[in-house]
Amino acid sequence: QSALTQPRSVSGSPGQSVTISCTGTSDDVGLYFFVSWYQQRPGKVPQLIIYDVDKRPSGVPDRFSGSKSGNTASLTISGLQTEDEADYYCCSYAARYRGVFGTGTEVSVL
Amino acid sequence: EVQLVESGGGLVQPGRSLTLSCAASGFTFDEYAMHWVRQIPGKGLEWVAGISWNRRFIGYADSVRGRFTISRDNTKNSLYLSMKNVRVDDTGLYYCVKDIDYDCTGGTCFALQVWGLGTLVTVSS
Repeated sequence: QSALTQPRSVSGSPGQSVTISCTGTSDDVGLYFFVSWYQQRPGKVPQLIIYDVDKRPSGVPDRFSGSKSGNTASLTISGLQTEDEADYYCCSYAARYRGVFGTGTEVSVL
Repeated sequence: EVQLVESGGGLVQPGRSLTLSCAASGFTFDEYAMHWVRQIPGKGLEWVAGISWNRRFIGYADSVRGRFTISRDNTKNSLYLSMKNVRVDDTGLYYCVKDIDYDCTGGTCFALQVWGLGTLVTVSS
């Protein structure tokens, strides 16, 4: 049950799009369509922004979108805004009612 | 308003035991799965344990299996984490988290929707 692999950091200018990858294995990301994404601003608790690969909870802007291909899931932030500066974590179901988080990605808005 | 309030954290010596509690309000507790997630301040998130609405499904991270026990009392709207034989690397902020669904049989699984503020556990001699 190793942590999913995410890039340490990504950055973009306001209005640009950035994509964060989340690479697992055929036992977690590759096997289930149960990938979720969380935004954690400094000093705050994590917030669910995507679940079941590509579903958005109510209240989450449609600038956030999710996808999956093989063992890699992705989160795309379109039209980057300064308020999007935060840490982002992916999470996948991994059988026997277990979950595994990604290593986390810091998003910077230049 | 949905609220999750954790308690029970503190300083504990390696090898000792500690029980965390989470008081839930603002939603029908016995209709949702619940989880514990921990975070070393300044570091990443680690899923620790989860329990379905009716306790049918229970899971643990490899790092805590055999030492930690998750449980719930639906009559008291409460979630618990019993921690035994704690280690220095169990140090962290422990969050109580509400799932978006009752278990994984309804098509949605492990969507951690609402988070408490956490309770800090420090394991040190």
